[in-house]
Amino acid sequence: QQQVKQSPQSLIVQKGGISIINCAYENTAFDYFPWYQQFPGKGPALLIAIRPDVSEKKEGRFTISFNKSAKQFSLHIMDSQPGDSATYFCAARGYNFNKFYFGSGTKLNVKP
Amino acid sequence: GAGVSQSPRYKVAKRGQDVALRCDPISGHVSLFWYQQALGQGPEFLTYFQNEAQLDKSGLPSDRFFAERPEGSVSTLKIQRTQQEDSAVYLCASSLQPYAEAFFGQGTRLTVV
Repeated sequence: QQQVKQSPQSLIVQKGGISIINCAYENTAFDYFPWYQQFPGKGPALLIAIRPDVSEKKEGRFTISFNKSAKQFSLHIMDSQPGDSATYFCAARGYNFNKFYFGSGTKLNVKP
Repeated sequence: GAGVSQSPRYKVAKRGQDVALRCDPISGHVSLFWYQQALGQGPEFLTYFQNEAQLDKSGLPSDRFFAERPEGSVSTLKIQRTQQEDSAVYLCASSLQPYAEAFFGQGTRLTVV
């Protein structure tokens, strides 16, 4: 049973466009929702994270939108660049269990 | 070192062979995690240490998998009698404190033939 469901599996965006990746969860014990970026042959690197007490967090071109009632959160990449081409994972962690549950990943290809 | 270091980067094992994967966390980091990442999938939790104590090993898939962190720094993940389904990238992560930001290593790609 997958705790965090992620979509789409792959995404192609033109340079300068907006990339949107969505995740959904069921466990109400989750209280920390990070997004990780992974390049081939590398480990995941933290991109941006949010807690459920806010509905949006922005860092540069990256924004997380969080809908607590719907148990959904999404990553928006504005002005997407070819260098953003990577696999993106959403994840969730609970307030009483120190481990991450990851989504299945979205492979983003930003075309020049 | 500046980041989490894992060795070896690549390991090819014959089915039935035992393997040991090493993780050097960031110096001073209390928490250490092991994850397994199958090809094209997200990482899946294996086990968690706080200092030398293994607080959660609920993700270890079988009793062939064993992890240790005897002095609260370096950790080793051991897989006995490897099977083809063990082929994956094994990721180690560490954080300064429990529930803090986790930093991942580059992983060890294990291929069982």
